[in-house]
Amino acid sequence: QKEVEQDPGPLSVPEGAIVSLNCTYSNSAFQYFMWYRQYSRKGPELLMYTYSSGNKEDGRFTAQVDKSSKYISLFIRDSQPSDSATYLCAMSATAGNTGKLIFGQGTTLQVKP
Amino acid sequence: DVKVTQSSRYLVKRTGEKVFLECVQDMDHENMFWYRQDPGLGLRLIYFSYDVKMKEKGDIPEGYSVSREKKERFSLILESASTNQTSMYLCASSPRGGQGILRQYFGPGTRLTVT
Repeated sequence: QKEVEQDPGPLSVPEGAIVSLNCTYSNSAFQYFMWYRQYSRKGPELLMYTYSSGNKEDGRFTAQVDKSSKYISLFIRDSQPSDSATYLCAMSATAGNTGKLIFGQGTTLQVKP
Repeated sequence: DVKVTQSSRYLVKRTGEKVFLECVQDMDHENMFWYRQDPGLGLRLIYFSYDVKMKEKGDIPEGYSVSREKKERFSLILESASTNQTSMYLCASSPRGGQGILRQYFGPGTRLTVT
């Protein structure tokens, strides 16, 4: 069983839709939860990160963590064609230098105009 | 604008060749990482380094080695390339401390094909 599971999609939605991207994990030691966005032919870039449980909002993006269910989500409101990318969740048990990120497989999102 | 650059975007090598992938960052970051990205498997950590001349094995170090002689440069070496090392290779860097390990900056990747 993989430590982090992410539905690879692809996910196709019309412009303006609300998008929900999800990851589940098995390691209860994870405390830091990240979402990276990767455009085609580019490296991933950090979109948001949260610590422990709860919600974090940044513009049209909301990250949600439910540690009791070992489940994290990224919501995108009013999705735009420019949001078309692969979204990778990543997790870590520690933020110190001994920590490392464990990535999900990535979900490919296409937002159609 | 912060930058991580990788020496090649595309590389084709033959089985058994020694392959060098170079990565340079201009952000004065202490930490540097090498990942490979494969469909259905996501990013997997090969090696990382948190200081010059220091290296730590990641999750899949077999068949790879690394070198970090200068702070800004981190090299990945495939001693004898094999077809199962055909993949996208991504380099990243991050600052030390202040949860820096969570904020990794990635290069554009090198797509390596071993025939």
